[in-house]
Amino acid sequence: KAGVTQTPRYLIKTRGQQVTLSCSPISGHRSVSWYQQTPGQGLQFLFEYFSETQRNKGNFPGRFSGRQFSNSRSEMNVSTLELGDSALYLCASSSTRSGYTFGSGTRLTVV
Amino acid sequence: SQQGEEDPQALSIQEGENATMNCSYKTSINNLQWYRQNSGRGLVHLILIRSNEREKHSGRLRVTLDTSKKSSSLLITASRAADTASYFCATDDVYSGGSNYKLTFGKGTLLTVNP
Repeated sequence: KAGVTQTPRYLIKTRGQQVTLSCSPISGHRSVSWYQQTPGQGLQFLFEYFSETQRNKGNFPGRFSGRQFSNSRSEMNVSTLELGDSALYLCASSSTRSGYTFGSGTRLTVV
Repeated sequence: SQQGEEDPQALSIQEGENATMNCSYKTSINNLQWYRQNSGRGLVHLILIRSNEREKHSGRLRVTLDTSKKSSSLLITASRAADTASYFCATDDVYSGGSNYKLTFGKGTLLTVNP
């Protein structure tokens, strides 16, 4: 059974640019959530989607957005990148029967 | 904000020794989970303990939960060099009688197992 796939693995962007990260959940999992991990703030919840609907959103500025498609794949977008957005972005999928399974993450560096 | 707070922040032991990590949290929970992370890679789910459980075992892992003290501990027995990683606790908090569909993580314990 394939795991959670996040693309790309690494990304370097310039301040002011925007970026889109992708997450393909485990087959059959309809919930996808996103987390940001930084050395200073640790792991912080960004948002969660279920059947294309956002059910919860963390305390991040509106520059951070996401969406989920009908096949449960999810994308998150960060606009007007700031240096502080440099982080490891982790996606997790889950079902009612299972816990959370995380992908390997996308390492975003903003220069 | 961080709900779970692990201690110690860092732990260094010799192979074969046991490692104990603690986690405290602040609100009512549905369950508490422990994860391992190797060198900034993805999180690997280790074990989940529900709020009505007090102890759970999985291989060399033993987790306890004390909801009256809002605390949990993770014990790794007979540690190996391959156990070197960061360990995080995460809570699925009660929200409106159910879940708010997110995990709240602690800052983690960095475990180093020396060969």
